[in-house]
Amino acid sequence: KAGVTQTPRYLIKTRGQQVTLSCSPISGHRSVSWYQQTPGQGLQFLFEYFSETQRNKGNFPGRFSGRQFSNSRSEMNVSTLELGDSALYLCASSWTKANEKLFFGSGTQLSVL
Amino acid sequence: GESVGLHLPTLSVQEGDNSIINCAYSNSASDYFIWYKQESGKGPQFIIDIRSNMDKRQGQRVTVLLNKTVKHLSLQIAATQPGDSAVYFCAEMGMDSSYKLIFGSGTRLLVRP
Repeated sequence: KAGVTQTPRYLIKTRGQQVTLSCSPISGHRSVSWYQQTPGQGLQFLFEYFSETQRNKGNFPGRFSGRQFSNSRSEMNVSTLELGDSALYLCASSWTKANEKLFFGSGTQLSVL
Repeated sequence: GESVGLHLPTLSVQEGDNSIINCAYSNSASDYFIWYKQESGKGPQFIIDIRSNMDKRQGQRVTVLLNKTVKHLSLQIAATQPGDSAVYFCAEMGMDSSYKLIFGSGTRLLVRP
């Protein structure tokens, strides 16, 4: 069974640009969560989706957005990139509606220059 | 952010010894806890989880202990191997329909051959 797949693996952008990251959850998982990981702040929750509905959003500016499609695949978008957005963006999926046993992908490493 | 900051303690153990990684969680209302292992360049990998109605749970070579009185979680790894070298994160979740994990800052485990 394939794990959580994130594309692209690496991304380099410049300030002011926007970026879209993609996540394919484990087959059969309907819950998808996104986390940002930085050396300074650790792992921080971005948002979570279940059956195309956003159930929760973390403390991030409105430049960060996401969505989930009917096949459970998810995308997140960051507009007007800032240097501080450089981070590893991790997607995770769960079999349960309560998000237990979250399984993570390898992440997208975003560098903003 | 909600995650604990930069401090990343390091635990160095001899191959074959047992390792104990500790974690203090923040919310007394949390009732689901999980341990992850993260190797360089990879996403967090699920190790073991425990609910608040238990105080101990065992897996293959790993044991998680939960002390709700002092809000403390520990991960014990038996017969530590070089492949166990990684950063270990504890995370907590409240069953308050927030659907998000709050991560600790992590502990780096180094296994000496």
